[in-house]
Amino acid sequence: KAGVTQTPRYLIKTRGQQVTLSCSPISGHRSVSWYQQTPGQGLQFLFEYFSETQRNKGNFPGRFSGRQFSNSRSEMNVSTLELGDSALYLCASSPGVAGHGYTFGSGTRLTVV
Amino acid sequence: DQQVKQNSPSLSVQEGRISILNCDYTNSMFDYFLWYKKYPAEGPTFLISISSIKDKNEDGRFTVFLNKSAKHLSLHIVPSQPGDSAVYFCAASARSNYQLIWGAGTKLIIKP
Repeated sequence: KAGVTQTPRYLIKTRGQQVTLSCSPISGHRSVSWYQQTPGQGLQFLFEYFSETQRNKGNFPGRFSGRQFSNSRSEMNVSTLELGDSALYLCASSPGVAGHGYTFGSGTRLTVV
Repeated sequence: DQQVKQNSPSLSVQEGRISILNCDYTNSMFDYFLWYKKYPAEGPTFLISISSIKDKNEDGRFTVFLNKSAKHLSLHIVPSQPGDSAVYFCAASARSNYQLIWGAGTKLIIKP
């Protein structure tokens, strides 16, 4: 089974710009969750998509949005980037039902300058 | 409200000795617990899990213990190796829910 693929691996953007990150989950997995990790911080939950619907959402501003396509691939968008958005963004794939863990991608390192 | 707590931000252990990482939870509905390991600039990788019907699960050098009455789980690594230096996250979920709830992580440093 191919793993979770996140693209791009690295990204440098300027304040005020917007960015789109992509995640391809494991084949057959219907759930994709997004997390933000900043230095010294744990995993901050952004949102989770299941069968093209946002099923859960963390406490992030509306500048952070996402979507999921019919093939379960997901994109995350951040608009009006701020310096504080610099982080490692992680995508996790799972079957989406209780009793299963997540498989993470390698992440996208976003740097906002 | 932190439902899963890892109260030690970091832990330093001598190579070859036992590393014990702790995790406490507050939600009595949690019945599935996992440990993940994370290296810098990489995604977390699954290490070991335990369901609430067990109190111990072992996989090689890694053992997870679950004390349901105390709402406490721990991860034991024996013997500790330099490659074990990483951040360890515990996570929990309830049978009625799909979502994993994460602890803040503990940074384990293995000293030579």
